[in-house]
Amino acid sequence: EAQVTQNPRYLITVTGKKLTVTCSQNMNHEYMSWYRQDPGLGLRQIYYSMNVEVTDKGDVPEGYKVSRKEKRNFPLILESPSPNQTSLYFCASTRTGGSGANVLTFGAGSRLTVL
Amino acid sequence: AQSVTQPDIHITVSEGASLELRCNYSYGATPYLFWYVQSPGQGLQLLLKYFSGDTLVQGIKGFEAEFKRSQSSFNLRKPSVHWSDAAEYFCAVASNSGGYQKVTFGTGTKLQVIP
Repeated sequence: EAQVTQNPRYLITVTGKKLTVTCSQNMNHEYMSWYRQDPGLGLRQIYYSMNVEVTDKGDVPEGYKVSRKEKRNFPLILESPSPNQTSLYFCASTRTGGSGANVLTFGAGSRLTVL
Repeated sequence: AQSVTQPDIHITVSEGASLELRCNYSYGATPYLFWYVQSPGQGLQLLLKYFSGDTLVQGIKGFEAEFKRSQSSFNLRKPSVHWSDAAEYFCAVASNSGGYQKVTFGTGTKLQVIP
């Protein structure tokens, strides 16, 4: 089944404790992206990647890091989490060309709470 | 810069009534437009998309949307709402230029369906 898999789905952590949210897709998509969803603000893009070793900032990158060493994986790293990073996070992927380009496939989401 | 406005934060309709959710976008060229739906506790699912051609597009679950360039709108409609349509709906615009791909979401419209 074509899918985007995120882990963990739920996480409660404390301020300053580094954490990584993993994202993996099995569709050979070039493009992957991270969003955070907050009430009243919709989805805001954190980082995106056009392909392996190609990443760039989205609209709200502060406090986050990403890497794209393999095509299928795009982990989101919070080096020193703070309470304002408490949010619902979504990973998504799509092709960059041809049929299906721009149509995002989303993971199920990761709800992160930082105390 | 591209942007999406969903002016209605919350809409309540009776089951069986018609529905229209508004979406206005800002983008310099012909946009790629989408509607996604998010059921409670779930990820986002694509309802329909517009890339080019016929300005009235059909989607899943009986939804349709009409692209009106003169009004910069892409409103979502359904003739008869079912209780299972209660969810949050997001309009999105995508661009592909210079090897840079970006998808921008609106802030969402939460739909409540009453018996």
